Amino acid sequence: EADIYQTPRYLVIGTGKKITLECSQTMGHDKMYWYQQDPGMELHLIHYSYGVNSTEKGDLSSESTVSRIRTEHFPLTLESARPSHTSQYLCASGAGTALGYTFGSGTRLTVV
Amino acid sequence: GQQLNQSPQSMFIQEGEDVSMNCTSSSIFNTWLWYKQDPGEGPVLLIALYKAGELTSNGRLTAQFGTTRKDSFLNISASIPSDVGIYFCAGLGNYGQNFVFGPGTRLSVLP
Repeated sequence: EADIYQTPRYLVIGTGKKITLECSQTMGHDKMYWYQQDPGMELHLIHYSYGVNSTEKGDLSSESTVSRIRTEHFPLTLESARPSHTSQYLCASGAGTALGYTFGSGTRLTVV
Repeated sequence: GQQLNQSPQSMFIQEGEDVSMNCTSSSIFNTWLWYKQDPGEGPVLLIALYKAGELTSNGRLTAQFGTTRKDSFLNISASIPSDVGIYFCAGLGNYGQNFVFGPGTRLSVLP
């Protein structure tokens, strides 16, 4: 079954650690997105990609970085985690402009 | 940039009641989507609308693409406890490459 997977689901990590949040999709979608969402709040676009070797920053400034070396994989990295990075991170992918996005289940990150 | 507003921001209803929520913008959109997010999960697409005036149903859910192309409405009939969650609208404009998401309507259903 085609789907989009995020790992880990939950992560508690100390300040200053480097972390990578994984996102993979099996649908062959060119477009992929990362959103940051505080519990019960709005979705904020932080990064997106229209294909391999294409990455752009979103509407919300983020200290994270992304890469797109393979179509199916769009990892997000924080070089030095801080408590202000505590949030839920949602990955999404889309096949075509008007068809909408499929979202992963998210990674709930807590930085202590 | 383009922005969407959703109202109400949150609502508490009794099980069995009907629900109405809307999404508005100062810009014209060509596509409207409605998503639902369960607690602790990612949003899931409920309904997609592609034409002004279009009315589409998905079970107890009905959504409409406003005739001005600047708004959309979502109705839920006979609410049940599993309707609890956040409902997001999303719009795509004439020259947009990415969907714009509204801030969400938070629905609570009381037994």
